[in-house]
Amino acid sequence: DQQVKQNSPSLSVQEGRISILNCDYTNSMFDYFLWYKKYPAEGPTFLISISSIKDKNEDGRFTVFLNKSAKHLSLHIVPSQPGDSAVYFCAARRISNFGNEKLTFGTGTRLTIIP
Amino acid sequence: DTAVSQTPKYLVTQMGNDKSIKCEQNLGHDTMYWYKQDSKKFLKIMFSYNNKELIINETVPNRFSPKSPDKAHLNLHINSLELGDSAVYFCASSQAGGRTYNEQFFGPGTRLTVL
Repeated sequence: DQQVKQNSPSLSVQEGRISILNCDYTNSMFDYFLWYKKYPAEGPTFLISISSIKDKNEDGRFTVFLNKSAKHLSLHIVPSQPGDSAVYFCAARRISNFGNEKLTFGTGTRLTIIP
Repeated sequence: DTAVSQTPKYLVTQMGNDKSIKCEQNLGHDTMYWYKQDSKKFLKIMFSYNNKELIINETVPNRFSPKSPDKAHLNLHINSLELGDSAVYFCASSQAGGRTYNEQFFGPGTRLTVL
C-alpha cells in the first residue's frame, strides 16, 4: 500500500528554468509534508516542509504547494541550477495514537539540470 | 564534523552470517531511526528509538534487532542474513517534534550486499 507516490521517476530541466516535482498521497492523517534531496552515496537531506493547514511554503528558490482536496503537493525550484541535480523524495508525516512520529516516503524523482 | 555517522559504509557478506551496523549522532537529538531502502528505491522506516526506548517497530523480521546503548547511538544487528536483506540502510536522528516537524538528519547509508 503505497501511501505516498511520485509518479515521475525522472525529470530533465534546462538551467535557469523552473523545475516542478509532483507528489500524491492517500492518507488524510498526514499532518506535515516534506521534501528531501539526495545526492549519490549520501543520505537524504531536508529541503522544505509544509504543514497540512497551509497551502504554500517558500524558502528561497524552493516553494512547496499543497492541494489537500486533490491530495497533491508539488515542489517548485526556480531558477534551476546544476547543483539541484539530485533525487528528490517526497515524504509525509503521521503522528500515531501514542504520539510517535512516522515518515512515509515516495520512491523519488531524479532531477537532472541541463547546463 | 559529521552529524550522523554510520559504519561500515559497505558490507558484503554471505547468507547465514550475522552482522552489525553502527550509528552515532552528535546532534544531541533524542530520537533515532533505522530506514531500509530496497532495490525499488522505497525508503521505509524499520525502527525508531526515543531516549533509548523502542517506539516504532514496523513489520521487520525478528532477525533484525536494534540496540541503543545511549541516546547518541543506535546499532542494528542482523542475524542469519538472507539475500533479500541486501539494501541500503540509513540511520537518522531528530528531536521529537510533536506539533511541528523537526527535520530528520540522515547518515550516509550502509550498502549491505548478501551473497
